[in-house]
Amino acid sequence: QKEVEQDPGPLSVPEGAIVSLNCTYSNSAFQYFMWYRQYSRKGPELLMYTYSSGNKEDGRFTAQVDKSSKYISLFIRDSQPSDSATYLCAMRRGADGLTFGKGTHLIIQP
Amino acid sequence: GAVVSQHPSRVICKSGTSVKIECRSLDFQATTMFWYRQFPKQSLMLMATSNEGSKATYEQGVEKDKFLINHASLTLSTLTVTSAHPEDSSFYICSVSQGLGQPQHFGDGTRLSIL
Repeated sequence: QKEVEQDPGPLSVPEGAIVSLNCTYSNSAFQYFMWYRQYSRKGPELLMYTYSSGNKEDGRFTAQVDKSSKYISLFIRDSQPSDSATYLCAMRRGADGLTFGKGTHLIIQP
Repeated sequence: GAVVSQHPSRVICKSGTSVKIECRSLDFQATTMFWYRQFPKQSLMLMATSNEGSKATYEQGVEKDKFLINHASLTLSTLTVTSAHPEDSSFYICSVSQGLGQPQHFGDGTRLSIL
C-alpha cells in the first residue's frame, strides 16, 4: 500500500462546477497537509497548507482534513478553465521532505 | 514573485556527461533545501535533503555518489548528476522551506534529457 493514494483522473467538469479532489493516506505520523497545483513543465505552486483537522478556506478553495479517517480534500468553487492543471496532495512529518500523491489531472470545460 | 530560482530549466546532453543544477532561495535564508525527481506520469519523489554546511541526507534507493549535493551557502544548493545515463532523464526540482512547520515552495524544475 502506498503512503498516499490519489486518483490520477482525468477529471473533467463543466465551467462553474464545484470540483472535489481527494487523497487518502496510511501514515498517521503526517502532521502537515498541502495542496499544490502544477501546470505542464512547471514546478508545483502551493495552494493550501493545513496542519489540523477541519476546514480552511482561501477564496474559491477549501481544504478539508480528517485525521481520524486519514482523508484530505480540496474543493474548488466556481471552477474556471484556467483551473485546468494537475493537483497534487502532499504531506509532511516534522521537518521531513514531502510525500506526494500521484496527482489528479483536472480539466475544466468552457 | 518567485521564491525559488532553479537553473538551467532544460538540459540535453550525451550519456556519460555530468550535469550541475542550481537551486537558489530568493526570499529567505534556507538551512534546508529538498531535491525531488518526477518521471513522466509519476508523482514527485523525494531524493535527498540538502543541509547547509553538512552532508545531504539521501532517501533509500538514491545513490549518493551519483547525485552529489552541495549546500555551500544559505541561499544556494546544487545537485550534480554524475556520469548521467538515459535512465537518469527526468524532471529534477528543488524546494525550500522557512523552517519547521512552514510550507515548501518549489522552483520551476530542470528537465534533463540524456541521449
